[in-house]
Amino acid sequence: AQSVSQHNHHVILSEAASLELGCNYSYGGTVNLFWYVQYPGQHLQLLLKYFSGDPLVKGIKGFEAEFIKSKFSFNLRKPSVQWSDTAEYFCAVNPNTGTASKLTFGTGTRLQVTL
Amino acid sequence: GAVVSQHPSRVICKSGTSVKIECRSLDFQATTMFWYRQFPKQSLMLMATSNEGSKATYEQGVEKDKFLINHASLTLSTLTVTSAHPEDSSFYICSAMTGTSFTDTQYFGPGTRLTVL
Repeated sequence: AQSVSQHNHHVILSEAASLELGCNYSYGGTVNLFWYVQYPGQHLQLLLKYFSGDPLVKGIKGFEAEFIKSKFSFNLRKPSVQWSDTAEYFCAVNPNTGTASKLTFGTGTRLQVTL
Repeated sequence: GAVVSQHPSRVICKSGTSVKIECRSLDFQATTMFWYRQFPKQSLMLMATSNEGSKATYEQGVEKDKFLINHASLTLSTLTVTSAHPEDSSFYICSAMTGTSFTDTQYFGPGTRLTVL
């Protein structure tokens, strides 16, 4: 079974600082990779996703993630965070089987951006 | 964009009673819906996959007789927690997909906070 690890549980950054959140997965086959964000009091929203092709994926709100197959990693980055980026971030993976399949989520990283 | 709603957003019930949670796709038809459970400060754990018109597929360790799932239409799936106990208290989240391809996005509902006294 696949698993997802997010090593940073709580990250505190000042506005304009750069962000990198780690995500590693464990699965032997081809996977699809996702980053979701959950703002306080809101539902999960998709930030970006990777299925194939260019391993550097750009998402909404200036976020990007890089898939490094050899490291089983899909780290999320943003060059300059804003206070409004304060949220919980979840990495998720599902096997690339061609059809819809279940997502396995990491434990999440709480990002707190201070002014 | 695709919107998924859940009702109720919050419910408190007595131990031994049953609680029904609805998940609706408001502006699209959802062939597949998923039900997750989220404990405080933990990740979402998939409970079951619900396909319209067929029986739900439950994850290992999830009691299908306790967590009844009905996906009667392309816009509605329900989760009924039967004979709820305090350990069932949790945050239940549903998601819905517009299609059956792995390229289709899962859209999440806002969640339902269940508290069993």
